[in-house]
Amino acid sequence: GAVVSQHPSRVICKSGTSVKIECRSLDFQATTMFWYRQFPKKSLMLMATSNEGSKATYEQGVEKDKFLINHASLTLSTLTVTSAHPEDSSFYICSAREGAGTGDSPLHFGNGTRLTVT
Amino acid sequence: QKEVEQNSGPLSVPEGAIASLNCTYSDRGSQSFFWYRQYSGKSPELIMFIYSNGDKEDGRFTAQLNKASQYVSLLIRDSQPSDSATYLCAVIGSGGYQKVTFGTGTKLQVIP
Repeated sequence: GAVVSQHPSRVICKSGTSVKIECRSLDFQATTMFWYRQFPKKSLMLMATSNEGSKATYEQGVEKDKFLINHASLTLSTLTVTSAHPEDSSFYICSAREGAGTGDSPLHFGNGTRLTVT
Repeated sequence: QKEVEQNSGPLSVPEGAIASLNCTYSDRGSQSFFWYRQYSGKSPELIMFIYSNGDKEDGRFTAQLNKASQYVSLLIRDSQPSDSATYLCAVIGSGGYQKVTFGTGTKLQVIP
């Protein structure tokens, strides 16, 4: 089945620094990738849709200047949390669909990145 | 009104019993429905997907879809303690955006 790799799985950083999270589709090409955020005991919240070769589409309330998304190739999307603060501490999960991301194909998730900002 | 609704639980069932997880959705034009299992501290993993009305079976899992009632369910037969997790219902809406909307999840506890 489709595999999505996310790295790092866990990161601790100091307040004010930036953190980059990578998401790779290992055995398929993904024109579209999705970034989610999840707080403890809460459901997934879609942050943005990452589009290969174009700007990401951010959900309402998500600061695009704080959460920088780059989708430079069909197999790699990155999320950079800039000037991180303790309230950015969360579980970040990327996902992708095979092919052009259209149609009914299910999302495949990376293993997630647990970010802790001290 | 939430777009995808699930009872948060916890739903407790004895080992070997059938666990029934339910989900309703508001977008009548939705066509694609997914069930994910999420263990604590882990990311979701796909259990099943269903597109057509009726039942779809895969091993101990059966997904049921009723578009007229805007209702999708997941049955887990012969529940095992390892099935204890949060189950997320996900729906692709009718807009051209193919946005996937998740329910808040139902926590299932299988009691040995």
